[in-house]
Amino acid sequence: RKEVEQDPGPFNVPEGATVAFNCTYSNSASQSFFWYRQDCRKEPKLLMSVYSSGNEDGRFTAQLNRASQYISLLIRDSKLSDSATYLCVVNMAPGGKLIFGQGTELSVKP
Amino acid sequence: DAGITQSPRYKITETGRQVTLMCHQTWSHSYMFWYRQDLGHGLRLIYYSAAADITDKGEVPDGYVVSRSKTENFPLTLESATRSQTSVYFCASSGLDSEAFFGQGTRLTVV
Repeated sequence: RKEVEQDPGPFNVPEGATVAFNCTYSNSASQSFFWYRQDCRKEPKLLMSVYSSGNEDGRFTAQLNRASQYISLLIRDSKLSDSATYLCVVNMAPGGKLIFGQGTELSVKP
Repeated sequence: DAGITQSPRYKITETGRQVTLMCHQTWSHSYMFWYRQDLGHGLRLIYYSAAADITDKGEVPDGYVVSRSKTENFPLTLESATRSQTSVYFCASSGLDSEAFFGQGTRLTVV
């Protein structure tokens, strides 16, 4: 079993749609969780951290479920500019190594 | 300038040659990482380091060597390059339990 697994893509959605990505992780001791965005194999950039209480940043909402060991990302009102690959990242305890999921490609169409 | 930089940005080398990819960060982050990304795949961890002189293997360490004599530098060496090591290599750094910041990547081709 992979340490971090994401929904397989690609997701093709129309503008304005709501789309959700899920990610599961294997290490119950993991402490930190993140969603990154990557465009065209450029360097990944932080989209948002994921907190136990859930957090929202504009159209983006991240949730963490420690009991089931999964995190999610919800994108509302999708824009063309949201087209990218979304990467789930887990900080594996102990030791601090950051493990990435394989990424989910999102394509938002007009 | 503050940040994390990788060099070179592009490299073509021959099979069997040794090549070193450089990574330098100015934040004094404790953690540094090396990932490779192949077409159609996610980022796979090669090696990481929790502090100077402390390194550990990731998911795909075979054929690579790292060192970290100074906090700010984390070079990655391919001892004898193979075509299967053709990839995009990303270096990253982070503080404890915080997000990672990435360099712009090194595109390595082994011919």
